Amino acid sequence: TQLLEQSPQFLSIQEGENLTVYCNSSSVFSSLQWYRQEPGEGPVLLVTVVTGGEVKKLKRLTFQFGDARKDSSLHITAAQPGDTGLYLCAGSPGSQNFVFGPGTRLSVLP
Amino acid sequence: DVKVTQSSRYLVKRTGEKVFLECVQDMDHENMFWYRQDPGLGLRLIYFSYDVKMKEKGDIPEGYSVSREKKERFSLILESASTNQTSMYLCASSAPLGSYTDTQYFGPGTRLTVL
Repeated sequence: TQLLEQSPQFLSIQEGENLTVYCNSSSVFSSLQWYRQEPGEGPVLLVTVVTGGEVKKLKRLTFQFGDARKDSSLHITAAQPGDTGLYLCAGSPGSQNFVFGPGTRLSVLP
Repeated sequence: DVKVTQSSRYLVKRTGEKVFLECVQDMDHENMFWYRQDPGLGLRLIYFSYDVKMKEKGDIPEGYSVSREKKERFSLILESASTNQTSMYLCASSAPLGSYTDTQYFGPGTRLTVL
């Protein structure tokens, strides 16, 4: 059973477009993390959200944690080729181990 | 900044060899993890450790063992490497699960090829 689902699985857009990717679960998480991973590298942490309804901004990236702490979204404004990568969400449902979503593979074309 | 380092970025071994992958973190984290990542299968947890000399099996522990003699170091051992263990291996560390700062931080990964 996949505790964290991500959508879309793949996304290919032109430079300058906006996009939103989603991370959903039926479980409550104490926090959720978003990572970006480039080919051949380890995942790099982008943000951790911990409070229901929280919105965090990181330059052109906006992260939101759902009010019930079961879902999160990542919105990218004016995407650039450097945003290309695999976006993973992850969290710890209570005191259990970490779970990861399958990822959204984003390709931003120049 | 948190730093998680892995002993090798690329490794090529032969079937049957014993392989050691080492991971070191500098944040005094209690928890350390080993994952493998394969196309279409995502990250799969091999083993994790909550404390020195403690280890717990993850989802796919078969063919692997681990060692944690010091808090900052967590080693993954392939007792007898096989071709189906060719993969990207990722180490991570975190504060205690459920704590305010239980975010996982990852190393750069080791790309292991078993011939």
